[in-house]
Amino acid sequence: GQNIDQPTEMTATEGAIVQINCTYQTSGFNGLFWYQQHAGEAPTFLSYNVLDGLEEKGRFSSFLSRSKGYSYLLLKELQMKDSASYLCAVRDGDYKLSFGAGTTVTVRA
Amino acid sequence: DAMVIQNPRYQVTQFGKPVTLSCSQTLNHNVMYWYQQKSSQAPKLLFHYYDKDFNNEADTPDNFQSRRPNTSFCFLDIRSPGLGDAAMYLCATSREGEATDTQYFGPGTRLTVL
Repeated sequence: GQNIDQPTEMTATEGAIVQINCTYQTSGFNGLFWYQQHAGEAPTFLSYNVLDGLEEKGRFSSFLSRSKGYSYLLLKELQMKDSASYLCAVRDGDYKLSFGAGTTVTVRA
Repeated sequence: DAMVIQNPRYQVTQFGKPVTLSCSQTLNHNVMYWYQQKSSQAPKLLFHYYDKDFNNEADTPDNFQSRRPNTSFCFLDIRSPGLGDAAMYLCATSREGEATDTQYFGPGTRLTVL
C-alpha cells in the first residue's frame, strides 16, 4: 500500500516562511504533487516534482529527494489568503494519485 | 471559465434514497476520476475511467456506481446512501500520455444524508 505522511497543522505569522514536510513510502514513483485546498473547495494544483531538487514558482517552492522519500513545500511571504490545507500526493507509476491527509496552515496577523 | 463542473454543489438526500452526482469537463481529457473526501481526510479514489474503460478501486463499496456516457460527462450513482456516505465528492480529470500532466478538480459536491 501507499503511505504518505505530513503534519496535521501548522501556524505562522503573516509575512513569515513556512515549510511543510511530506514523507512517502509507495510501491512506485512517477512524480510528487502539491495541492492547495481552501475549506469547502476543491484542491488546486501548486507544484510538481519528478527529479531531485528544488522547483520554484513565485512565493511557493517545492523540493524532492527520491532517495529519502521526502519532499517539502515552502511558502514564503505568507499572506492571509494562504490559510488552507496543503495536500501532498504521489503518482505511483501509472496515472493515479495517492494523497496525504493534508496539512492545515493557519496564517495569523 | 470553469473547466471541470460539478452539479449540484450541495445535495441533501435521505437515508437509502438513491442520488446521482454529475461531472462535466471542457478539457477533453481522457481520464476522469471520482474521489470521496471526508472532513480533514485525504481524498479517497473511488474509481476512474480511462477513456471508456472503467476501473474500480478494490475497497470501493458496491453501493457506488459510475457511468461515463461520453468524453465530457461522468456520473456517480449512490444506490442506497448511508449516514457514512456523507462527504465531499470530487471529480477530477487528466490527460494521460504527458508525464507532467496533473489532475484538475471540480469544485465538489457536498452530500448530506439525513
